[in-house]
Formats: sequence, structure tokens, C-alpha cells
Amino acid sequence: GAVVSQHPSRVICKSGTSVKIECRSLDFQATTMFWYRQFPKQSLMLMATSNEGSKATYEQGVEKDKFLINHASLTLSTLTVTSAHPEDSSFYICSARSDRGAYEQYFGPGTRLTVT
Amino acid sequence: KQEVTQIPAALSVPEGENLVLNCSFTDSAIYNLQWFRQDPGKGLTSLLLIQSSQREQTSGRLNASLDKSSGRSTLYIAASQPGDSATYLCAVYNQGGKLIFGQGTELSVKP
Repeated sequence: GAVVSQHPSRVICKSGTSVKIECRSLDFQATTMFWYRQFPKQSLMLMATSNEGSKATYEQGVEKDKFLINHASLTLSTLTVTSAHPEDSSFYICSARSDRGAYEQYFGPGTRLTVT
Repeated sequence: KQEVTQIPAALSVPEGENLVLNCSFTDSAIYNLQWFRQDPGKGLTSLLLIQSSQREQTSGRLNASLDKSSGRSTLYIAASQPGDSATYLCAVYNQGGKLIFGQGTELSVKP
């Protein structure tokens, strides 16, 4: 149980285009989903927290107009990187948490974004 | 502001050794602490979650301890194997339900 998927696993896009990453909780309802970013050899940095049906809460320094987050249902959250630039190239990981249990987050496998 | 530190940053051991990874955090007001494993280019695999009221958790060759008052946790790996080679991340859940990660310990187990 508690499986989280991400799609796509890898994406390459041209500078100036937008790319959407999906995060799905497959066998539980996720009232809260989180988006993280990870640079090579570094740890995960929380970008934003999203609750189903409401606006995402962004961490300090994260541009909300650049990283659009939509948590449209209890099993799906999307992250759209708008007008991507090479410096947006990174590993993006989502996690999902249900409203039961010990606050545990379940992580997706990550999406490698490369902007050329 | 909660800060999580992991020592050492990297560790190389011969197969069969028992080893300890360390994690410290600055604010003892945590809900839980969780240890993860991350293989290169992959997502996170949860290893152990310790509730704030617990002192330790065990799973197979892994044992994690938590001393909330001193802000420390250790992950003990017994009889290490080459397949244990990965980056190990410690993370604490703060009062807001957010996970704060350490920088990780990169473990290499040599056959």
C-alpha cells in the first residue's frame, strides 16, 4: 500500500516552454501533497505544500508564478514549470500524505527535468 | 528554524562491517523522525519512522534510535552488504507537518 507515482520520469524541453509533472497517490487519498526539488549531491528542498481544493502554499524564495501547482483531486497533484530555463533543470520529487496515521509522507520516484 | 545535520557526509566500509550513521536536529519539538534511502537518480525509500514518543525502531538489519531531548538519532546497519550502498537521508517532521531533511550520508560498501 501507499504507492505514489510520478509522470513523466524524465523530460527534456526547450528553454521557454512549459512542462507539466503529475503526481498520483495510487491506493490512498492524499489530502496533502508536497513538491520537492533536489540538485545533484544535495538534499531535498521543499518547494510547496498543496491541499486538495485550495491554493498551494509556497516556501520562501519559490516563485509561485513559475511553478504552478494544482491539487485538483485527492489522488492527483500537478506541477507546471512555466517558461522553463536551464537553471530549472533538476530532480523534482512529490510526496503524498493522508489525513490518517503518523504524518508519514509517501514519496514518488521523481522526475528528471532537463531544459536545453 | 529547524536544521538537520548528518555526519559523516560520506562513508566507505568493507563488506560485513557494522556501521552507524548520525543525525542531529536543532529543535526538539518534532512529531516524528524518518530515515530514507536514496539510490542514484531515484526517489526515496522509507526505511524507518520513529514516533516522537518512541526510542527506537528496528527492521531487519537496521535499527534507528531517537533521543529527542538531545536532538539526536542514529541509524545502525548490521553486517553491511554492497547492496546497502546508497545515500541515507534523515528527516524530521516539524510541528507544521513539514519534513526537514539533512544533507545525507553517502555510503559505499566495498565487496
